Amino acid sequence: GESVGLHLPTLSVQEGDNSIINCAYSNSASDYFIWYKQESGKGPQFIIDIRSNMDKRQGQRVTVLLNKTVKHLSLQIAATQPGDSAVYFCAEKSGGSYIPTFGRGTSLIVHP
Amino acid sequence: KAGVTQTPRYLIKTRGQQVTLSCSPISGHRSVSWYQQTPGQGLQFLFEYFSETQRNKGNFPGRFSGRQFSNSRSEMNVSTLELGDSALYLCASDKGFGTDTQYFGPGTRLTVL
Repeated sequence: GESVGLHLPTLSVQEGDNSIINCAYSNSASDYFIWYKQESGKGPQFIIDIRSNMDKRQGQRVTVLLNKTVKHLSLQIAATQPGDSAVYFCAEKSGGSYIPTFGRGTSLIVHP
Repeated sequence: KAGVTQTPRYLIKTRGQQVTLSCSPISGHRSVSWYQQTPGQGLQFLFEYFSETQRNKGNFPGRFSGRQFSNSRSEMNVSTLELGDSALYLCASDKGFGTDTQYFGPGTRLTVL
C-alpha cells in the first residue's frame, strides 16, 4: 500500500499494549469530534465520535476522552493489535458546520 | 448498507489533460464532500454538494469543479492537470445536517505525469 502521510507524529507500541493518540483542537466553539482510522491505500474509516456535552465515550476496545478546558481530545486503544497499525485523524465540527476540520494525523505502528 | 464507492480507483494522466472522478454516496445520504489528500498537505477540503447545489467550497483554483445529480451521485472534474494535482481524491457522504458524521470512500489515486 501507499503511505498516506510523511512527517507525521508516530507512535510505536508493542502488540498487547494500550495506545493513546492525542489531538489538540483550536476552535473553542467545536461541539462534535470524530476519530478516523486510515490504513495504507484506503479511505478514512469512522471509529468513534463524541459530542461536547460528554467527556468520555467508549466503544469496542476504544475510548475517546474530551477535555474542553484545554481543547484536547484523545483516543485510547486497548490491547493494541497489528491490525490497528494505521494513521489516525481527529476531526472537529462546530455550530452545525457541515464540513469538519481535520488534524494532520498520527501514525500508529504496532510491533508483533 | 453499501458504503461510499468511488471510480476509478487509479488513474494516470499527463499534464494538460482533464479528468473526471465519480462518487456514489451511501443510500439516503444527500451530502457529498470531496477532499484532496497529499503527504505534504494532509486532507484538504475541495467542495461539498447537497441537493445538487454546491453548498461549501474550499480554497482550490477553478480548475477543480464538481456537480451532483438528482440521485446524490457526484462527480468532480479537474481540467488542465498539473503535476501537483497528483493525490488521493476522497469522497465522503453524510445525511446533510450539521451534526452528521462523514463516511469516506476508498479514494481515487490520481497520478499526473
